[in-house]
Amino acid sequence: SAVISQKPSRDICQRGTSLTIQCQVDSQVTMMFWYRQQPGQSLTLIATANQGSEATYESGFVIDKFPISRPNLTFSTLTVSNMSPEDSSIYLCSISGRADGELFFGEGSRLTVL
Amino acid sequence: GQSLEQPSEVTAVEGAIVQINCTYQTSGFYGLSWYQQHDGGAPTFLSYNALDGLEETGRFSSFLSRSDSYGYLLLQELQMKDSASYFCAVRFPILTGGGNKLTFGTGTQLKVEL
Repeated sequence: SAVISQKPSRDICQRGTSLTIQCQVDSQVTMMFWYRQQPGQSLTLIATANQGSEATYESGFVIDKFPISRPNLTFSTLTVSNMSPEDSSIYLCSISGRADGELFFGEGSRLTVL
Repeated sequence: GQSLEQPSEVTAVEGAIVQINCTYQTSGFYGLSWYQQHDGGAPTFLSYNALDGLEETGRFSSFLSRSDSYGYLLLQELQMKDSASYFCAVRFPILTGGGNKLTFGTGTQLKVEL
């Protein structure tokens, strides 16, 4: 298994502000994935982050709203920009496990936008 | 698009067997995974079916039928600690770098009662 640390674990933010979430992994990984989980809902993939290249965003997510950095093989950040109450969610960082179909997740960052 | 539908809620008694279904409208995927998520926790990997048929892992079994666009998670000898949300997810290939890109189902909340 892997240890994935996310910061902050939770935050309350004001509308119009931006917040950066950090994800630190205890091993080097090629890809990191950022998911969003709105209250009581499923997980939706925001983007895939490769070290040394631009992140690949899923339909409905854009770089201006969710800029991602991937400066090295153990770290990534996701910024939620110009937040609105609709951005209130849990944001989860994940990496692939050894087994097919396996992802390891961080504990998530629970954002509440007022 | 891709969609994976699950019952929103299932209730069962301790010691019983419960089946959580996942029907999908997608193609070209590599396999079907199942995840468990307790309230406030991160999703954790349970099982993966690359091929049609049944995979057994202790009290949990998972089944896939590509011809029927259907899979299920079977939980036996239910325990109170099995109360959680369960998600199916299909694995898609990532063309560069490998790894697991997953699209998650709508999720099923399982309540285990005495």
